[in-house]
Amino acid sequence: GAGVSQSPRYKVAKRGQDVALRCDPISGHVSLFWYQQALGQGPEFLTYFQNEAQLDKSGLPSDRFFAERPEGSVSTLKIQRTQQEDSAVYLCASSLTATSVVLAKNIQYFGAGTRLSVL
Amino acid sequence: DAKTTQPPSMDCAEGRAANLPCNHSTISGNEYVYWYRQIHSQGPQYIIHGLKNNETNEMASLIITEDRKSSTLILPHATLRDTAVYYCIVKGEYGNKLVFGAGTILRVKS
Repeated sequence: GAGVSQSPRYKVAKRGQDVALRCDPISGHVSLFWYQQALGQGPEFLTYFQNEAQLDKSGLPSDRFFAERPEGSVSTLKIQRTQQEDSAVYLCASSLTATSVVLAKNIQYFGAGTRLSVL
Repeated sequence: DAKTTQPPSMDCAEGRAANLPCNHSTISGNEYVYWYRQIHSQGPQYIIHGLKNNETNEMASLIITEDRKSSTLILPHATLRDTAVYYCIVKGEYGNKLVFGAGTILRVKS
């Protein structure tokens, strides 16, 4: 499809397990973002990639969270030793770029998210 | 990025115009107003953005006050499928992240 694809859509993990969440951005999109959305709240920024470079990881809540985008397309968000407070929807977004004066190129398009439940 | 204030919820009758307000009194000169919406179990969807002029596209209209301290998103003929959480976001020209508030839950009723 032409949109941002995330997998799996749902993930149940036992506390202490490691999980990996995948994001396939729109083809050709340079910029990729991860957000975390707790129940009943707006999404919160986690990290940002421009191509394969992780330019901003200021929103990652702890060193258990790690994101990568090794070839500048698909990205993986990994959470080690999951805790109950990690339960949330993890959203991925991509944009053509993030630094263009043509603002339409900076618009972020979101995937449907991965709902993570840590028991 | 400037903060925004939105009412927590609003109701609208199907077929009528939905007017969603947003206050952004601390907006600076190079910051834009963006609107996204999030339908249940989906990711946020871009609607429209503007700087100081009113904007219109196939989804909605955006009215920004002359002092730019507030704006209104207008859905001209709301349908049941417009029921969603609407987020007003202020972002700099090159800001790399969207800062979401709690948004406004819009309920369109038949």
